[in-house]
Amino acid sequence: GQQLNQSPQSMFIQEGEDVSMNCTSSSIFNTWLWYKQDPGEGPVLLIALYKAGELTSNGRLTAQFGITRKDSFLNISASIPSDVGIYFCAGHLYNFNKFYFGSGTKLNVKP
Amino acid sequence: GAGVSQSPSNKVTEKGKDVELRCDPISGHTALYWYRQSLGQGLEFLIYFQGNSAPDKSGLPSDRFSAERTGGSVSTLTIQRTQQEDSAVYLCASSLKRTRGADTQYFGPGTRLTVL
Repeated sequence: GQQLNQSPQSMFIQEGEDVSMNCTSSSIFNTWLWYKQDPGEGPVLLIALYKAGELTSNGRLTAQFGITRKDSFLNISASIPSDVGIYFCAGHLYNFNKFYFGSGTKLNVKP
Repeated sequence: GAGVSQSPSNKVTEKGKDVELRCDPISGHTALYWYRQSLGQGLEFLIYFQGNSAPDKSGLPSDRFSAERTGGSVSTLTIQRTQQEDSAVYLCASSLKRTRGADTQYFGPGTRLTVL
């Protein structure tokens, strides 16, 4: 099956620092998505990317769809305590209408 | 409006028993997805519905797992003869429609299943 490699697995940063995480795949995806999951909640969509090379921002979050369509990164600038959570990347193959999720990056922010 | 709801929020059962997990999607959403999330892991796709039909059941781990959807709305995931390895959070998501591109999925809070 498809496999997404997400890194890092976890991060401990100081409030105000910038954060970067990424996902790579051996497969080409049509869409890359980034989600955040808080404890006891379902994932919430942060950013969706539909075209190779696309760079999209949502507030302090910026994500890019890699040119090869096999990777994506998410940056968070000036982190704040409420950024704490688990961030998942997901790739979508429309021929199969399946979403493949990475294993997540757990972000901890120290005030 | 109301989001995706799931029930129960927590389920503890004994090995060998059957369980039913319920998902109420957002009204009007035609696509519905079930995922399983083990502790510290990403989401594992199980099955998706377009309307009441399930074009893709390939993610179901074994024949003990089945799902149905009625009236294009509520879906039930059934696990028969539960095993300890079935313990996980089961997440449901719905989206407005299935298109050639990815459609935004809205997730429910999940059902945490513990098999003793």
